[in-house]
Amino acid sequence: NAGVMQNPRHLVRRRGQEARLRCSPMKGHSHVYWYRQLPEEGLKFMVYLQKENIIDESGMPKERFSAEFPKEGPSILRIQQVVRGDSAAYFCASSPPGPYEQYFGPGTRLTVT
Amino acid sequence: GESVGLHLPTLSVQEGDNSIINCAYSNSASDYFIWYKQESGKGPQFIIDIRSNMDKRQGQRVTVLLNKTVKHLSLQIAATQPGDSAVYFCAETLQGGSEKLVFGKGTKLTVNP
Repeated sequence: NAGVMQNPRHLVRRRGQEARLRCSPMKGHSHVYWYRQLPEEGLKFMVYLQKENIIDESGMPKERFSAEFPKEGPSILRIQQVVRGDSAAYFCASSPPGPYEQYFGPGTRLTVT
Repeated sequence: GESVGLHLPTLSVQEGDNSIINCAYSNSASDYFIWYKQESGKGPQFIIDIRSNMDKRQGQRVTVLLNKTVKHLSLQIAATQPGDSAVYFCAETLQGGSEKLVFGKGTKLTVNP
């Protein structure tokens, strides 16, 4: 049973470019969460999605960031016009419905130059 | 506001000793708690969880204690091994809420041979 998959594992973008991060949840999981982690810090919640729905985006910056979880295919976290402050590790987690443990992927490390 | 904090940022123990990692949470309404282990360059790995209707839960070599009176959570690792060296995070969430996890900053555990 494959775990949560994220790609790419490492992504380098120049300031002003777009970054697209992908997450495939575990089989049977319909809930996806995105978190951001700065060096030496804990994870910060960004957005919670179910298929075709954004449930909670209270942690998402108001501008440049968007997320989707289409009916088919992986969840996508999109960052437009990246800035150096966007450099971080972005983790995706998935869970079945309900207050169950969230299983995390290996993360995408974004570096903005 | 929502926050989960830890008493100590680092902990160093000898191999074979027991380790205790502490966590304080601020939201008295939180009712589900998880401990995660994160090794360098990897995503958080689920260790053990506990719901607010319990005060203790045991796993393999790990025990989580929950004291709702003082909003305190601890993780005990028995017979700590070098492979236990990692950063440990506690996380909290609220049932019936968006199910997002609120993480603390983490405790770095170093096991000395």
